[in-house]
Amino acid sequence: QKEVEQNSGPLSVPEGAIASLNCTYSDRGSQSFFWYRQYSGKSPELIMSIYSNGDKEDGRFTAQLNKASQYVSLLIRDSQPSDSATYLCAVNNERGGANNLFFGTGTRLTVIP
Amino acid sequence: DAGITQSPRHKVTETGTPVTLRCHQTENHRYMYWYRQDPGHGLRLIHYSYGVKDTDKGEVSDGYSVSRSKTEDFLLTLESATSSQTSVYFCAIRGAGTGRSEQYFGPGTRLTVT
Repeated sequence: QKEVEQNSGPLSVPEGAIASLNCTYSDRGSQSFFWYRQYSGKSPELIMSIYSNGDKEDGRFTAQLNKASQYVSLLIRDSQPSDSATYLCAVNNERGGANNLFFGTGTRLTVIP
Repeated sequence: DAGITQSPRHKVTETGTPVTLRCHQTENHRYMYWYRQDPGHGLRLIHYSYGVKDTDKGEVSDGYSVSRSKTEDFLLTLESATSSQTSVYFCAIRGAGTGRSEQYFGPGTRLTVT
């Protein structure tokens, strides 16, 4: 079982719609959860972090965390063509005393004008 | 911009040659990381460092070594490059502050082993 799993997509949504990206993780001890955006040929860019159950909103982005279900999601409201990218879910793991991140393989999002 | 640079940005090398990639940071972060990114595998941790001369292995460390002789530089060495090490390599630093675990990435190095 992979540490972090994401639907690879591609996910296509029309401009102005809500894009919903999902991620599940295997380690119940994980405490920190992140969403990164990666444009083609570029490096991952941190866009959201969430540490507590519930929702966290930042502009058009909302991260949702459900630790009981080991599930984290990212909603993008009013999707724009500039949101077209691969979105990576990352989850921390403190196994062995290290506080490292495990990444999903990413979901490719295309926003259609 | 987390003040991270990587060099070289692109490199083509032949099988069996040694290769060293450099990561340089300007903000005195304690933790530094090397990842590789491949289609279908996502980002995988190769090695990380938690201080000068303090390093440890990640999940895909075979064939790689690292060194950190000063805070700002973290070097990744492929002792004898193989075609399976063709990849994009990213360096990252961890955000400052106790309990923080978010990471910020450098621009990446595209390595091709022929």
